[in-house]
Parts: sequence; C-alpha cells; structure tokens
Amino acid sequence: SQELEQSPQSLIVQEGKNLTINCTSSKTLYGLYWYKQKYGEGLIFLMMLQKGGEEKSHEKITAKLDEKKQQSSLHITASQPSHAGIYLCGARRPDAGGTSYGKLTFGQGTILTVHP
Amino acid sequence: DSGVTQTPKHLITATGQRVTLRCSPRSGDLSVYWYQQSLDQGLQFLIQYYNGEERAKGNILERFSAQQFPDLHSELNLSSLELGDSALYFCASSARWASEQFFGPGTRLTVL
Repeated sequence: SQELEQSPQSLIVQEGKNLTINCTSSKTLYGLYWYKQKYGEGLIFLMMLQKGGEEKSHEKITAKLDEKKQQSSLHITASQPSHAGIYLCGARRPDAGGTSYGKLTFGQGTILTVHP
Repeated sequence: DSGVTQTPKHLITATGQRVTLRCSPRSGDLSVYWYQQSLDQGLQFLIQYYNGEERAKGNILERFSAQQFPDLHSELNLSSLELGDSALYFCASSARWASEQFFGPGTRLTVL
C-alpha cells in the first residue's frame, strides 16, 4: 500500500553489522506490527507497538514508534545470517468511523540479506 | 509455530473451479483474518470475522466468500477461479482487535 512505505526495499549487509529498516505512514496509526517472512512461508510475529514513543526489544531486534505514531523503525544489532528474510510492517488504522477492527495494511517489505 | 493452522498447504486447480481453504485460529482467539499475498499486489487484507460475525472487509472479490463457524474455525471459499487468483492465502488470528496478530503457514493456490 502506498499509504505505508518501507525503506529500503532491499538491504545487503555483512554479518556483524547493524542495520535499520523504516516504515512510514501517511496517517496516524492505532498500532504498528513488525513481521519477518521467509520467502513463500508464513509471517513470524516480531513486535507490536501502540503508544507514541514506545520502544520494544527482543534479542537483537529493537522497534520504535515515534511520538506522532506515523513512523516506526526496526533496528538489528550485530546481524547474523539467521536474520535474513523479508521484513514487513503492518499498520492498524481507524476506519472512517474511527473504529479499528484489527485489519492490517502492509508495506511492500524489505528484503534483508546477511553475508557471512 | 504460531498456533494457527491452515489446510491444505498447497492447492492446484483449474480455471473456473471452486476451492475451500480452512483455518483454525489459536486457542482462545476470537478474531480471524484472511489475507492474500501475490507478487504484484503484496499482502492484502481480505476479510475479518469476530466470534462468528463479519467485522471488516477489504478488497475481496465477489467470487470470494468466507465464514466463521461456532467452533471459531474459518473457511475461505474461492469460486470461478481465474489465473490471477494464484497466490498465497494467509489466515491470522488475534484475541482482540488490538492484540498481537499471528499468522498461519498459508495455503499456496495455483490456478492453471
């Protein structure tokens, strides 16, 4: 969806390097979800952010949501080949009536390659 | 393993046919979502059910329909299939609308 832009579209890094993937929304979000996908497989849930300024970490992955709740970043520290895959951000937004029923709108994904 | 199961894993069929995809949500989750993933459209929301009732609709074609049963499993029915319907179809579930949403392994549909 053009309403949710991810950058970069692809990223190639050397093992051990840090990297950041960004997700920008043209509208305020109720929630921002990060997933990892191996090609042709299911989406693995990473983190969900809901509050402006919120930051969550799991192992070497940290995700942040800005105060305005329109931009999120996913940061991987000391990348490993196991981090390779497609990273997707999904946005939960209010509908015209202000209700969010949970449906997610996804960005186009960021393909991460980690060279040993 | 997310706890969401989908069957079948692969489905190959011909144009004009009808298929049914099945999803069992995580234990205790009342919401079920269906998504379609294709190379040209990316990952798109189709439809959501909550405790048996339809709650939200995305760009779902009229040839597609879904339902959620009393035991909370869901089925997505695709009819009059076209080549362009070939895609990965995912089911996801969540406890509440604002909860974490977990995806199943997907059903890969190939229409020949």
